[in-house]
Amino acid sequence: GESVGLHLPTLSVQEGDNSIINCAYSNSASDYFIWYKQESGKGPQFIIDIRSNMDKRQGQRVTVLLNKTVKHLSLQIAATQPGDSAVYFCAENRGNSGYSTLTFGKGTMLLVSP
Amino acid sequence: ETGVTQSPTHLIKTRGQQVTLRCSSQSGHNTVSWYQQALGQGPQFIFQYYREEENGRGNFPPRFSGLQFPNYSSELNVNALELDDSALYLCASSNDRGQNSPLHFGNGTRLTVT
Repeated sequence: GESVGLHLPTLSVQEGDNSIINCAYSNSASDYFIWYKQESGKGPQFIIDIRSNMDKRQGQRVTVLLNKTVKHLSLQIAATQPGDSAVYFCAENRGNSGYSTLTFGKGTMLLVSP
Repeated sequence: ETGVTQSPTHLIKTRGQQVTLRCSSQSGHNTVSWYQQALGQGPQFIFQYYREEENGRGNFPPRFSGLQFPNYSSELNVNALELDDSALYLCASSNDRGQNSPLHFGNGTRLTVT
C-alpha cells in the first residue's frame, strides 16, 4: 500500500521499549482529544480518547496524557511491538454549533525494530 | 458489528471529470463525515452529514458535494476535478454528530487525477 508517512517526524524504537509520541494542539477551546493509528493503505484506527476534564487515561498498553496549560498531548505505548509500526495522529475535536470536526496534527511515524 | 466500508478502493480520473465516492456507515451510526488526506498529511475535514442534511463544512469549494441516505450511507461527489484533488478520501461514521464519541474511519478511496 502507499505510504502515509512521507517526510513525517519519525520515532525509531526497539521491540519491548516504551514509546512516547508527542503532539501540540492549537485551540484552547477544544474539549475532546483522540489518538489514531494509521497503517499503510488503511484508514485511521481509533486508539484512545480523553476529554478536557481529565489529565490522564489508560487503555491496554497505551496511556494518553493531556496538559491543557501548554496545549500538549502525549501517547505512551508500553512494550512496543513490531505491529505498532504505523503513523500516529492526534486529533482535537472542536465543537462548533451543531456539529464537531476533527483537526488532525501532522502525524508521527513509529518504526519498531525486532 | 460491521465497520465503515468505502467504494471503490482506487480510482483514476482525468482533470475536468466528475467522481462519486460511496460510504456505508458502521451499523448504529447516524452521522457521516468526509475527510481528504493528501500524501504525508493528516486528514482534513470536508463536510458532515446528519439526518440526510449537510451539518457542517470545512474549507472546500462547492464543487465538493454530498448526500446522505435514509440508511445513513453517504456519497461524496466532486465536479470539475483538478490535479490537486488527488488524495485519499476517508469516510467516518459516528453517533450524535461526533460530539461525544470518536469517529470510526473506513480505509478510504485513493483518487488519482491525471
